[in-house]
Amino acid sequence: EDQVTQSPEALRLQEGESSSLNCSYTVSGLRGLFWYRQDPGKGPEFLFTLYSAGEEKEKERLKATLTKKESFLHITAPKPEDSATYLCAVQAPAGNQFYFGTGTSLTVIP
Amino acid sequence: ETGVTQTPRHLVMGMTNKKSLKCEQHLGHNAMYWYKQSAKKPLELMFVYNFKEQTENNSVPSRFSPECPNSSHLFLHLHTLQPEDSALYLCASRGAGRADTQYFGPGTRLTVL
Repeated sequence: EDQVTQSPEALRLQEGESSSLNCSYTVSGLRGLFWYRQDPGKGPEFLFTLYSAGEEKEKERLKATLTKKESFLHITAPKPEDSATYLCAVQAPAGNQFYFGTGTSLTVIP
Repeated sequence: ETGVTQTPRHLVMGMTNKKSLKCEQHLGHNAMYWYKQSAKKPLELMFVYNFKEQTENNSVPSRFSPECPNSSHLFLHLHTLQPEDSALYLCASRGAGRADTQYFGPGTRLTVL
């Protein structure tokens, strides 16, 4: 069964303390892997799409990478405003189905 | 209005009520989605519409009834809900590309008493 697993479930960082979030998947024939940020009570906000192993995307303090079995979201020198839940999703070969992980809740302490 | 909008943002209803959630997308997309988000669980896909035609129905109970009158509007009609249906209901839209991104609305927080 297609599955997406995110770790850790929760992460607390000091401001400026860099770290990485992991998203592993078992979907074969991946069409795309997506990272979203979700603030409490709001809908997910799109961050990145990765299509093939070796691809990397960057935006401010965030960098997403992709291998054949997992993706990492690297956070460099985080700030308190980076606190949110980060969701990973993969698109199945059929195209219309997207499988989400349960997310990583990130808290950045000033 | 830009992006994906959802109304109402909050809804409290009794188990015997009938209500509807509305979603509108201003992105020119042709696919629209309903998801259910409960605490500690992955987003749960409910329905997918592509060019107004329903293409996915993930074994959703009949007390949830979707309607897609055109590519820009999506409704979720609710009746005889259960307390366990309380959740954040998210609408998303997507373009026609092979791996186009889904864009989400702000969600409707539903509480069933």
